[in-house]
Amino acid sequence: EIVMTQSPATLSVSPGERATLSCRASQSVSSNLAWYQQKPGQAPRLLIYGASTRATGIPARFSGSGSGTEFTLTISSLQSEDFAVYYCQQYNNWPLFFGGGTKVEIK
Amino acid sequence: EVQLVQSGAEVKKPGESLKISCKGSGYSFTSYWIGWVRQMPGKGLEWMGIIYPGDSDTRYSPSFQGQVTISADKSISTAYLQWSSLKASDTAMYYCARMSGSYLSYWGQGTLVTVSS
Repeated sequence: EIVMTQSPATLSVSPGERATLSCRASQSVSSNLAWYQQKPGQAPRLLIYGASTRATGIPARFSGSGSGTEFTLTISSLQSEDFAVYYCQQYNNWPLFFGGGTKVEIK
Repeated sequence: EVQLVQSGAEVKKPGESLKISCKGSGYSFTSYWIGWVRQMPGKGLEWMGIIYPGDSDTRYSPSFQGQVTISADKSISTAYLQWSSLKASDTAMYYCARMSGSYLSYWGQGTLVTVSS
């Protein structure tokens, strides 16, 4: 099975600043990686698929990069509504796995 | 508009059985895989398994194989997740989601299952 490791576990950022979240796979997943955002009390929402393609309706301040085993989600200028937990998920091999999540909190 | 509507919250006792549902609309239900995801209180997301309603092909994550049963009734565009004997450790929020390829593009609102004596 492919283990997904996200870092850091918690990221403290001021509104308007840039946030960089990392996701590492234990073996190559090519570009078969998705990112999700989950706010308290809500279902997760798809942000990015194919490592770098924004889902419908996702603002341009969210961008994804990477391939193989190293991936990054960047939020260029944090808005108040972006404070949430972010999960990566590989879909290159079954069983599919999520990373443990990164909580982005207000500094 | 693609929608997945899940059944309401449940409170059960250990040892009881349970079947929760996920009704899809706004798309061809038989053409997309549906996934089930568990989220225990204060924890992250865990894949449970997936089903293709077109032919009921089902795959389980190893951690959940034999612990739950995933099924679908394509005549009413509904997928199910069921337990034959609940444990306190099954207390969690359960989400269904429609897959695009192998990522989860549309999510249900979640069903909270509480198992307590």
